Amino acid sequence: QSALTQPASVSGSPGQSITISCTGTSSDVGGYNYVSWYQQHPGKAPKLMIYDVSNRPSGVSNRFSGSKSDNTASLTISGLQAEDEADYYCSSYASSTTLVFGGGTKLTVL
Amino acid sequence: QVQLQESGPGLVKPSETLSLTCAVSGYSIRGGYYWGWIRQPPGKGLEWIGSIYHSGSTYYNPSLKSRVTISVDTSKNQFSLKLSSVTAADTAVYFCARLRYSGYAGGYWGQGTLVTVSS
Repeated sequence: QSALTQPASVSGSPGQSITISCTGTSSDVGGYNYVSWYQQHPGKAPKLMIYDVSNRPSGVSNRFSGSKSDNTASLTISGLQAEDEADYYCSSYASSTTLVFGGGTKLTVL
Repeated sequence: QVQLQESGPGLVKPSETLSLTCAVSGYSIRGGYYWGWIRQPPGKGLEWIGSIYHSGSTYYNPSLKSRVTISVDTSKNQFSLKLSSVTAADTAVYFCARLRYSGYAGGYWGQGTLVTVSS
């Protein structure tokens, strides 16, 4: 069970859009529509932003959206705001009822 | 309001067993969710340790399976983690979380507790 691959860092200016990718295999990302995305601020617990590839929990801004193509999932944040600066992690349900996370992406709002 | 709270020793000696408990309030642990443990070494990413259903069915990270035991106490509405033969590499913030039955999305998390492995 290998970690999903995310870029180490991404950046954008306020108001812009950014996309974070999350690449796995056919045994995880590609095999199930169960990709989640989490936002984590320093010293805090992760917060669920997207589940089941593209669904937003109640209370999460519609500036956050998710998608998937084959073995790669993506998180897009539109209208970037200073408060979006955080670490972002993807996760995917995988075979044998297991869960795998990505290595995390640090988002910097310039 | 669903709340999860981790508790346990913050310092464990090498080769000993790490034990943590997650108390759940605002929701019955017998509900239709999995309950999981996730850890995060200082400055590093998240790692799923394992999950349990209220029936007692357990699922573990293959890389930790030989050292992990997760159990549930429905009478106390809590679940627990035991990690044996710990080393410095097990030093991390340990989170407990409620995971959706289908897909394991974690909608509710505890605040996390730092466990340091050191003599």
